[in-house]
Amino acid sequence: AQSVTQLDSQVPVFEEAPVELRCNYSSSVSVYLFWYVQYPNQGLQLLLKYLSGSTLVKGINGFEAEFNKSQTSFHLRKPSVHISDTAEYFCAVSDDNQGGKLIFGQGTELSVKP
Amino acid sequence: EPEVTQTPSHQVTQMGQEVILRCVPISNHLYFYWYRQILGQKVEFLVSFYNNEISEKSEIFDDQFSVERPDGSNFTLKIRSTKLEDSAMYFCASSGGGALKEKLFFGSGTQLSVL
Repeated sequence: AQSVTQLDSQVPVFEEAPVELRCNYSSSVSVYLFWYVQYPNQGLQLLLKYLSGSTLVKGINGFEAEFNKSQTSFHLRKPSVHISDTAEYFCAVSDDNQGGKLIFGQGTELSVKP
Repeated sequence: EPEVTQTPSHQVTQMGQEVILRCVPISNHLYFYWYRQILGQKVEFLVSFYNNEISEKSEIFDDQFSVERPDGSNFTLKIRSTKLEDSAMYFCASSGGGALKEKLFFGSGTQLSVL
């Protein structure tokens, strides 16, 4: 069975500082990996996804993530955060046979302070 | 950008009552999903729907739950007899076919409170 672990429930950071949100997964088959962001009172929005190819994936809003198969990780990074990045971030995995059935991590609340 | 629309944004109901949560997916999408998030817990997959039938469902999606696409535009989730533990945020999602299948668009959710 697949599972996703987000190691940090809350990450406070100052504006313009770099940030890394950690995500580890377990799966016995090939996977697709995703990061979603949820701003207050809004739905989940896709930040980026890894399906195959280059292990460094660039997404919207200056975020990127690196797929590391040996460490079963897919950490999300941004070199300089803004106040507007304050949101909940979810890592998710899907079996490439399951299509849109996503298994989510518990989420990481990113709080950017001035 | 096109979006998935969910109504209502908040729904309060008494235990044992039936509720219907409504969603309007993006118009040319082919795959439809319901997820839920109980407060403080993970977002959980409930059901996927394709070609007018359920393609997969989780163990949460028991006989009390049903989905329907009644008119080609709406996608509904019905809970027949609500329980306290059904209180959660319910998200509808849709995706296109082929290579777009993995890109899910989520609605902003319906917060269901069962009293």
